Amino acid sequence: EAGVTQFPSHSVIEKGQTVTLRCDPISGHDNLYWYRRVMGKEIKFLLHFVKESKQDESGMPNNRFLAERTGGTYSTLKVQPAELEDSGVYFCASSQGAVRGYTFGSGTRLTVV
Amino acid sequence: GNSVTQMEGPVTLSEEAFLTINCTYTATGYPSLFWYVQYPGEGLQLLLKATKADDKGSNKGFEATYRKETTSFHLEKGSVQVSDSAVYFCALGTQGGSEKLVFGKGTKLTVNP
Repeated sequence: EAGVTQFPSHSVIEKGQTVTLRCDPISGHDNLYWYRRVMGKEIKFLLHFVKESKQDESGMPNNRFLAERTGGTYSTLKVQPAELEDSGVYFCASSQGAVRGYTFGSGTRLTVV
Repeated sequence: GNSVTQMEGPVTLSEEAFLTINCTYTATGYPSLFWYVQYPGEGLQLLLKATKADDKGSNKGFEATYRKETTSFHLEKGSVQVSDSAVYFCALGTQGGSEKLVFGKGTKLTVNP
């Protein structure tokens, strides 16, 4: 089975620009998660979708971040406008149920200059 | 709240050396505990897990035991290889609700031949 796919793998943008990250979960996985690791710090939870609904978005840092999962398949995470502190690696994960069944993608390394 | 504290790196060892990476946690309830590994250029992979007290997770020669009395989940390997060079993350999983993971900061391991 195909794993969790994230695109792009790397993105370098200027402060103030917009970037959209994409995550394709494993087919049939209702749960989709976004996490972020800022350089040298913990990997932190951003939000959780169950199908197309946001189950928990308590980790979203501010309203410059917008996540969508139309149709309950792939998800996008848009940052608009990007700031320097948004730089980091953004991970997506999917699961059929409990957290013990997570599969992570390879991540998108975002650099804001 | 829930948190994970793991040994700060980087850790540099010679091949065949013994490895311990300490991890302690604070959590309400009875979390599941995980070690994830990120090899250079790759995504997060589940290395091992334990879902209840006194469980031992093991994989690829790595082991960790869920110790409720000391709230610890230390990662050990008896003889490391160059191919074990990676960043290791300890994490706990909350049950119910959004099923999210709480990570430690990661420990970078370099094994020299």
